[in-house]
Amino acid sequence: GAVVSQHPSWVICKSGTSVKIECRSLDFQATTMFWYRQFPKQSLMLMATSNEGSKATYEQGVEKDKFLINHASLTLSTLTVTSAHPEDSSFYICSARDIQGPDYEQYFGPGTRLTVT
Amino acid sequence: GQNIDQPTEMTATEGAIVQINCTYQTSGFNGLFWYQQHAGEAPTFLSYNVLDGLEEKGRFSSFLSRSKGYSYLLLKELQMKDSASYLCAVRDSNYQLIWGAGTKLIIKP
Repeated sequence: GAVVSQHPSWVICKSGTSVKIECRSLDFQATTMFWYRQFPKQSLMLMATSNEGSKATYEQGVEKDKFLINHASLTLSTLTVTSAHPEDSSFYICSARDIQGPDYEQYFGPGTRLTVT
Repeated sequence: GQNIDQPTEMTATEGAIVQINCTYQTSGFNGLFWYQQHAGEAPTFLSYNVLDGLEEKGRFSSFLSRSKGYSYLLLKELQMKDSASYLCAVRDSNYQLIWGAGTKLIIKP
């Protein structure tokens, strides 16, 4: 089946530093990947849609200069949280759409728990 | 605005049946999804409905009524491992997923 990996699975960083999270589709090609954030006991919030070879589309209220997204290949998208602050602590989840699969299906990565101290 | 409503929490007994409801108000409709999410993990796909009616997949079934803006997820023969949050999501006219806050299902022996 379609597998999406994320790295790291958890990270602790100091306030003011930057953190990069990788999202990889392991056995399929993904022209589109999605980045979500989930705070405790809340639902998923879409942050941005990442398309291979083009700029990401950010949701309203999400700072594109703070959350840098790069989708350089059909199997890899990265999210960099720049100058992280404690309020950025959250569970970040990516998902990917298989270009050869049904358009309604998204495959989720296992998530990355970010803690900013 | 767009809105997805589902109960915050439900409790059921192992071996029983539970129905989790979801009502939605979105700008357009291009399908409704149910996902299961265990604590600290990413969601896993359960079902997809785009036409009215019931879709059955093993112990899980999902129903959709587009005219009523309503769906439910039916879980039969509940097992302890079914304890999780169940997320309802609707794809709107822009093909964007709008997520509900999730229903935490607690299974008791």
